[in-house]
Amino acid sequence: DAKTTQPTSMDCAEGRAANLPCNHSTISGNEYVYWYRQIHSQGPQYIIHGLKNNETNEMASLIITEDRKSSTLILPHATLRDTAVYYCIVRPMDSNYQLIWGAGTKLIIKP
Amino acid sequence: GAVVSQHPSWVICKSGTSVKIECRSLDFQATTMFWYRQFPKQSLMLMATSNEGSKATYEQGVEKDKFLINHASLTLSTLTVTSAHPEDSSFYICSAPPGGFQSYTFGSGTRLTVV
Repeated sequence: DAKTTQPTSMDCAEGRAANLPCNHSTISGNEYVYWYRQIHSQGPQYIIHGLKNNETNEMASLIITEDRKSSTLILPHATLRDTAVYYCIVRPMDSNYQLIWGAGTKLIIKP
Repeated sequence: GAVVSQHPSWVICKSGTSVKIECRSLDFQATTMFWYRQFPKQSLMLMATSNEGSKATYEQGVEKDKFLINHASLTLSTLTVTSAHPEDSSFYICSAPPGGFQSYTFGSGTRLTVV
C-alpha cells in the first residue's frame, strides 16, 4: 500500500500558485519525500524531492513540516501545461528501492 | 541528466502475437530496471524488476511466462508480451533507479492495444 494520502483532484486558475498537499504520517527518518507528475499518456516526470528542509528548483517548491508528517508542493505560477496527475511518494535512501505509487492528485489548471 | 529511451511509443497487435518493448539507458548504465503497467485512470503498478545478468523478479500475480523480461546489457532491458490478448492492452513504462542521479528516470511509455 502507498504510504501517502493526497486529495483526488484539485483545480487552480492559470497564473496562480497551485498548492498540492500530501500526508505521510508514517514516514521514517531515512525516507525522502519525492514528487512526480504524469501528463496524460506520458511517462512520469521528476519534480522535486526533500528529506527535512524545504527545497526549491526551477519547477517547484517543496515545503516539509517540521515533524515530516506532511508536505506541500507549490507550483508558483501554474500554466495550462501543468495539468497532470501529481504523485507524492516516500522512499528509503536505498538508491535501488522501488517506488510505490498511490492514486495521486489530478490537478486541473483552468484558464 | 539521465535519459531512458523507450520504444515503441505505441503498438497495435493481433491477439495471439508477441510484442517486444525496449528500454535503453542512453548516458548511464542501468543495472536495474523497473517495469510498470498502467490501466486507464489508474496508478502505476509494478510488474517486475530486471537486473543485468540475472533473472527478473516478478510481482505477485504477474505471469513470468507471459511477460518475458531480459536485461542482457547495462544499457538495454526488454519486455516481451507473449501471446497477447485484449486484456493485456495497457500503458507500459520502464524506469531506472536513481543511482547517482537522485531521481528515478522514466521511459516515455508504450501504449499497447491488442485487437
